[in-house]
Amino acid sequence: DIVLTQAPLSVSVTPGESASISCRSSKSLLSSKGITSLYWYLQKPGKSPQLLIYRMSNLASGVPDRFSGSGSETDFTLKISKVETEDVGVYYCAQFLEYPLTFGSGTKLEIK
Amino acid sequence: EVQLQESGPGLVKPSQSLSLTCSVTGYSITSSYRWNWIRKFPGNKLEWMGYINSAGSTNYNPSLKSRISITRDTSKNQFFLQVNSVTTEDTATYYCARSNVMDAWGQGASVTVSS
Repeated sequence: DIVLTQAPLSVSVTPGESASISCRSSKSLLSSKGITSLYWYLQKPGKSPQLLIYRMSNLASGVPDRFSGSGSETDFTLKISKVETEDVGVYYCAQFLEYPLTFGSGTKLEIK
Repeated sequence: EVQLQESGPGLVKPSQSLSLTCSVTGYSITSSYRWNWIRKFPGNKLEWMGYINSAGSTNYNPSLKSRISITRDTSKNQFFLQVNSVTTEDTATYYCARSNVMDAWGQGASVTVSS
């Protein structure tokens, strides 16, 4: 199985500042079609996970452009610029390159 | 807009079977996409369990393959999860979700395995 390692485990951010979350894959997530199958989700308290970023760097519909995704074949970053109080929750990366689909262990974002 | 909703017992005894239903509205499960079950354990770990696709084919996580079954009722636009021989380690919140990119999720069903 592909292992996704997220860091940090938790992050505390002052509103208006930026935050970055790292996700490292045990295997390249670049497919033969040139697509990098790395996704980011946010699970807000009491809610189900919501898609933020698909295929490493594409913003999902309705997601504020304060969120951005970048990376290489194995190392990925989710950046949140100008963090707002509504951004609290647990952030997950996920790979959809091969089955079984796997998720990172999650990063909890808190507001200072 | 597609909506998914899980339903089923919140408490299951060890060694029994866990059965959940995902009811889908706003999109036919036979049209396209894969229809997944994912669970979240206490402590935040997410595990993909398996899917049934629009043609009715299934794919399961090998870690669960011997205990899991995903089926559907196309007349009701529902799909189902069954996990056999449950233990306390199957205590989790269970979600159904639509892929290819998991862009739609149900609200989750909390299941506790306890005697």
